[in-house]
Amino acid sequence: GAVVSQHPSRVICKSGTSVKIECRSLDFQATTMFWYRQFPKKSLMLMATSNEGSKATYEQGVEKDKFLINHASLTLSTLTVTSAHPEDSSFYICSAAILGRAQGRNTIYFGEGSWLTVV
Amino acid sequence: AQTVTQSQPEMSVQEAETVTLSCTYDTSESDYYLFWYKQPPSRQMILVIRQEAYKQQNATENRFSVNFQKAAKSFSLKISDSQLGDAAMYFCAYRRSQGAQKLVFGQGTRLTINP
Repeated sequence: GAVVSQHPSRVICKSGTSVKIECRSLDFQATTMFWYRQFPKKSLMLMATSNEGSKATYEQGVEKDKFLINHASLTLSTLTVTSAHPEDSSFYICSAAILGRAQGRNTIYFGEGSWLTVV
Repeated sequence: AQTVTQSQPEMSVQEAETVTLSCTYDTSESDYYLFWYKQPPSRQMILVIRQEAYKQQNATENRFSVNFQKAAKSFSLKISDSQLGDAAMYFCAYRRSQGAQKLVFGQGTRLTINP
């Protein structure tokens, strides 16, 4: 079946540095990928919608300059947390929709998620 | 904007028994999709079941079934013959049929299975 891979699964970075998380669709092309953030014991909060070849669409309240999203190809989207602070520590998870099916039948697949700890 | 509400933060059930998780949603759309996702401790999101709003028949997947009440905007999940491996967070989610494919999630219900 379709697989979405995230890397790294866990990352620790120092406060003030930037960290990049990759989301890859391994066996299908994804024109659209989504980035979510999940706080402990909470639900998934959509951060942005990433479209291949165009600027990401951010949800209200999400800082565009802090959470840089790039979707350079049909199989790769990246989330860069810039000037990370301890409050950015969280679980980040991406998802991707399969290209080519009728839109109404698109299936969304999730990556394994990435734990970010900022110290 | 669409919203999804899960009013049960936690539920527990005895192994082999049946449990029902509740979900309500709000939308002005007539065509949409509803989902139940399972998130075990590994944090991997696993699709449990999906319902298309234009279908009157309730979706079923083995031990999992839904009670979809479109007029009431209710979408509950029934797990029959509960197994220890069913223990997880369960999220109800909504997606529009047209346009953006983003999922809107409920707050989640933590399900515990008692042996």
